[in-house]
Amino acid sequence: DAKTTQPNSMESNEEEPVHLPCNHSTISGTDYIHWYRQLPSQGPEYVIHGLTSNVNNRMASLAIAEDRKSSTLILHRATLRDAAVYYCILRGGSYNTDKLIFGTGTRLQVFP
Amino acid sequence: AAGVIQSPRHLIKEKRETATLKCYPIPRHDTVYWYQQGPGQDPQFLISFYEKMQSDKGSIPDRFSAQQFSDYHSELNMSSLELGDSALYFCASSFGTSGDQETQYFGPGTRLLVL
Repeated sequence: DAKTTQPNSMESNEEEPVHLPCNHSTISGTDYIHWYRQLPSQGPEYVIHGLTSNVNNRMASLAIAEDRKSSTLILHRATLRDAAVYYCILRGGSYNTDKLIFGTGTRLQVFP
Repeated sequence: AAGVIQSPRHLIKEKRETATLKCYPIPRHDTVYWYQQGPGQDPQFLISFYEKMQSDKGSIPDRFSAQQFSDYHSELNMSSLELGDSALYFCASSFGTSGDQETQYFGPGTRLLVL
């Protein structure tokens, strides 16, 4: 399985932008990049996904490198509620599977 | 909006007992996934169903079985429980199995404690 690599933890202050990196150097051309997050004591929740172009939604933005070997999840203004573990997950194409394969995500701490 | 419902939310069992976890997907969702999350660990895929048929299987012990019913709800049956089965069990649902793009919606989880 192609792997994703994320920093174990990151910190941010409230109302500041946060850039969460993910490396996926073995990504195939048909793999989508998905981000999920898990707030404390809750089930994971979908954040955003993309293939090649940068994507924006009400929760976050996803910036995908031109060679697709890395991506960055951008929270434009972190709030205390954004404190969670963020998972970068590759799906589709080379995997031929629908399940989510969670690696070791990034634990984001947000300080007031 | 309706979300994924899991019951019970908490369950305490003794070793060697059995447990049944239930999952009610979002209306019109036809695919259900089960994940297990041990203490301090990341979620691990167990099994999934699409249109009442098993669609994929992960590292699910032989002591566990699951099925999806005609109303699309799913049950995870766990027998001969072991201490190591203590974990959070999440159910997720989605519409279809396009894989690369479809979003999975997770329930709140069932916390199982085996004593």
